[in-house]
Parts: sequence; C-alpha cells; structure tokens
Amino acid sequence: KNEVEQSPQNLTAQEGEFITINCSYSVGISALHWLQQHPGGGIVSLFMLSSGKKKHGRLIATINIQEKHSSLHITASHPRDSAVYICAVRKWGGGADGLTFGKGTHLIIQP
Amino acid sequence: EPEVTQTPSHQVTQMGQEVILRCVPISNHLYFYWYRQILGQKVEFLVSFYNNEISEKSEIFDDQFSVERPDGSNFTLKIRSTKLEDSAMYFCASSEFKRDYNSPLHFGNGTRLTVT
Repeated sequence: KNEVEQSPQNLTAQEGEFITINCSYSVGISALHWLQQHPGGGIVSLFMLSSGKKKHGRLIATINIQEKHSSLHITASHPRDSAVYICAVRKWGGGADGLTFGKGTHLIIQP
Repeated sequence: EPEVTQTPSHQVTQMGQEVILRCVPISNHLYFYWYRQILGQKVEFLVSFYNNEISEKSEIFDDQFSVERPDGSNFTLKIRSTKLEDSAMYFCASSEFKRDYNSPLHFGNGTRLTVT
C-alpha cells in the first residue's frame, strides 16, 4: 500500500472553477510538501507545511495532522494552472532525509 | 531568484556505459539530493548528501550509483554501467537546512536519461 495517496488522479475543470486536490498519508511526518510538475518535467515547490494553512496567491494548502490529510486548493483556476500536482512527505525519525511521493494529480483547466 | 541547474537536459547512452549527471545547487545550500522518476511513475528518492558524504540512500541507490561533490559548486551522480531500467528523469535538489520547516527543497529541471 502506498504511504501517500492522492485523489483524484485526474481532474479536468473549466477556467474559473475552484479546485481541490487531496492527499492522505499513513506514516508519521515532520512536514508535507506540495509540488507542481510542468509538462516539460520540471518540479517547483509550492508549499511546505507542518501544521495549519498557507496561502500564496490563488493557492491555499491546509494540513490536518490528526487526520493525516492535506488539501491543495486553487481559486479562480486558469489554463496555466494545468500541471501535475504532487504531494510528498518527509517521515519522522532517523534516515528520513528523502521525501516519499504520491503519484500526483493530473490537472487540466480548460478555457 | 537563484536556481538549481542540471546538465545535460537529455542524455542518451548505450547499455553498459557510464554516465555522469551534473548539478549545480544553490550556492548557500548545504544539503543535496538526487531523485528519479521513471516515465509514468512517481518520483523516488535516491540519495542525500551533506558535508561531503552520503547522509542517506534508498534501496535503489546500489553499488552502480555514486555521488560526488568534486569542487565547491558541482554535485554529480554517476551510474557506472547503465541498464535499460535506469532510463528515467533524474532530478537534483538542494536545501539550505535539513529540517523542513525552515527549508523548502529547490529542484532542478531534470536530466532525462535514455539507455538504449
């Protein structure tokens, strides 16, 4: 079983819609990352969370540590938001340098 | 804004050949990482590097792989004898500190390795 699960796997929406991508994890973590991967393959870090909520422009990320769940929201979505959004966690404890990744959510925003 | 740079962007090699993937991390960063993504699959951790030595490595990072920081700026991943299954996108990343809450990861644009 994957330690990091994302839903949905694929999401197509119309420009302007409010988007929610979910991430659940089954391990103890020290932080959770939301990343954006563009069609060319490059990865950009969007958020790093250990508690609460963060906002950057039209993007909002929340995390509930007790429920082991995080959400990424996009308000007023735009075609340029089309990308793969990846949730990744850093596990607690020794030997936890590397992130453990989800499979990603492929988002398409249609004009 | 400073960025992590990787070269080459695409490398094609024959099975059994050695390849070296190069990365220049952000200059004041202390922790360096290699990740890989096989086409259509999720990103996987390979190795982390700090203070001129490997800090942690995954099961994927076997004896065929090695990392080096040959000078003050470059960080390299060497695959000694490439196999078909090494074909993937390889990402370098760096962070200022090890602990997440103060230090996000910065990724390079990746090197696509194709082994024929």
